Amino acid sequence: KAGVTQTPRYLIKTRGQQVTLSCSPISGHRSVSWYQQTPGQGLQFLFEYFSETQRNKGNFPGRFSGRQFSNSRSEMNVSTLELGDSALYLCASSFWDRGDYGYTFGSGTRLTVV
Amino acid sequence: GENVEQHPSTLSVQEGDSAVIKCTYSDSASNYFPWYKQELGKGPQLIIDIRSNVGEKKDQRIAVTLNKTAKHFSLHITETQPEDSAVYFCAASRDTDKLIFGTGTRLQVFP
Repeated sequence: KAGVTQTPRYLIKTRGQQVTLSCSPISGHRSVSWYQQTPGQGLQFLFEYFSETQRNKGNFPGRFSGRQFSNSRSEMNVSTLELGDSALYLCASSFWDRGDYGYTFGSGTRLTVV
Repeated sequence: GENVEQHPSTLSVQEGDSAVIKCTYSDSASNYFPWYKQELGKGPQLIIDIRSNVGEKKDQRIAVTLNKTAKHFSLHITETQPEDSAVYFCAASRDTDKLIFGTGTRLQVFP
């Protein structure tokens, strides 16, 4: 069974630019969550999508947005990049089955803003 | 707000010894407590999880205990091996709500 696929693995962008990251969840998983990981703030929740609808949102500015497609693949976009947006962006694919649930993370996209 | 505290931040043990990492959560409605292992250049990997209707769960050398009254949960690794060296994160969530992560513990196992 294929895992969670995130592309690209690495990105270098300039301040002010925008970036789009992609996540393909495990087949059959309908929920995708995004987390930002930095040395200073640790792992912080960005947002979650389920069946193409945003179900939950963390405390990040509106420059951070996302969407989910009908095949459950998800993208997140960051506009007007700032140096502080440099981080590892992780996508988690999750399932629910009769009260059982769990989250599987991808390897992440390392974004560097210069 | 919701918070998960994790201790210690670093832990060094000799191969074969046991390692214990402790977490405390603030949201009393939390009922799902996973532990993740993150190796360099990789995403967090689920190693064990526990739900609030269970006090303890074991999987080979790894065990997790939960004290709902004290809002504490702990990860126990026995007979540690060098390949256990990594950063470990605890997390808590309420049902299928977002995961709130601890700050991580860097475990080093020396041969």
